[in-house]
Amino acid sequence: QSVLTQPPSVSAAPGQRVTISCSGSSSNIGNNYVTWYQQLPGTAPKLLIYDDNKRPSGIPDRFSGSKSGTSATLGITGLQTGDEADYYCGAWDTRLSAGVFGGGTKLTVL
Amino acid sequence: EVQLVESGGGLVKPGGSLRLSCAASGFTFSTYSMNWVRQAPGKGLEWVANIDSSSSYIYFADSLKGRFIISRDNAKNSLYLQMNSLRVEDTAVYYCARGADRDYWGQGTLVTVSS
Repeated sequence: QSVLTQPPSVSAAPGQRVTISCSGSSSNIGNNYVTWYQQLPGTAPKLLIYDDNKRPSGIPDRFSGSKSGTSATLGITGLQTGDEADYYCGAWDTRLSAGVFGGGTKLTVL
Repeated sequence: EVQLVESGGGLVKPGGSLRLSCAASGFTFSTYSMNWVRQAPGKGLEWVANIDSSSSYIYFADSLKGRFIISRDNAKNSLYLQMNSLRVEDTAVYYCARGADRDYWGQGTLVTVSS
């Protein structure tokens, strides 16, 4: 049971837009920054979004992050087959004094 | 170029010990906190531990406290994870990752705990 809650899977057609939600609490998302990671099959996770909505150098602006209260959302526009991957949200949990992740969301581009 | 290279994984019997290493290069290692994150086969990411840049502050997942030890050697640009009393459920790929944002990850090292 993950501290952060994500939908197990989402799907959309190429070129479309998809959002992935991440729900937490005041001890994690509500008072700490959210990060998002992309894990392509057989590879290590890669940072997509940090500080709720910032993109590292090299991450296209098709990827965006937002946060409201104790929930965060990853948005991906202009879907490509290469975006098929598992996506994880993460945050620091102040009450646990620990890092926490969501259970991951598998994105299928139909 | 930032590089993180884990090593030390392998097959170990339940109750055994293993020490993982993470060799860092391409950045000033001594100025970043570091993390261990693991991923059991077919499962999601699980945060293991974090150590600050000077080893002054160490944080561990509650379920692992007392069995695992995280440490670092800034002179050697290396991060370590000493794993003791290993259990079957510790079987996973173990990644090291840089900083609070975990902005760079190594390729991972597989630890298999089995009799």
